[in-house]
Amino acid sequence: DAGVTQSPTHLIKTRGQHVTLRCSPISGHKSVSWYQQVLGQGPQFIFQYYEKEERGRGNFPDRFSARQFPNYSSELNVNALLLGDSALYLCASSLGVNTGELFFGEGSRLTVL
Amino acid sequence: GESVGLHLPTLSVQEGDNSIINCAYSNSASDYFIWYKQESGKGPQFIIDIRSNMDKRQGQRVTVLLNKTVKHLSLQIAATQPGDSAVYFCAENMMGGAQKLVFGQGTRLTINP
Repeated sequence: DAGVTQSPTHLIKTRGQHVTLRCSPISGHKSVSWYQQVLGQGPQFIFQYYEKEERGRGNFPDRFSARQFPNYSSELNVNALLLGDSALYLCASSLGVNTGELFFGEGSRLTVL
Repeated sequence: GESVGLHLPTLSVQEGDNSIINCAYSNSASDYFIWYKQESGKGPQFIIDIRSNMDKRQGQRVTVLLNKTVKHLSLQIAATQPGDSAVYFCAENMMGGAQKLVFGQGTRLTINP
């Protein structure tokens, strides 16, 4: 079975631009979460979606937004990119919401110049 | 506030020895703890979890210990193998809320032949 897939794997943007990152969860998983991982640090929670509804939001500015589609795939959007947004963006899926067993994709590496 | 910290950023062990990775947490309200392993270029991989009503839980070659009195968590890996080389993160969450994992900084485990 396919794991969590993310696209693109790498991308380079300039300050002020917009980016859209995509995630396909494991088949049957209805919960999708997004994490930001800055080099040398642990992942930081951005959003969680379950059954197409936002279940949780981390301490990120409104420039960050996300949504989940009827097929449970998800998009993370970041507007007005800053240099500090450079990071690995990880998507994770899980069967339900009452578990810490998240299945992570390999991430989208964003570089903002 | 919410924070998860680790005592040591790096740990080197001999192949075949046991490894112990430690973690301190500060949020008394956290009642669910998880260990993840992240290999270079990959997303985090679930290892084992423990709920606050338990002190110990064992998996395949791994044991997690929870000491709620001193807010301390540890991961023991038996008979360490080269494939265990990775960064290990502890994470905490509160059951019943959003699936919002708070990750620590991580410990890099290096296996010496």
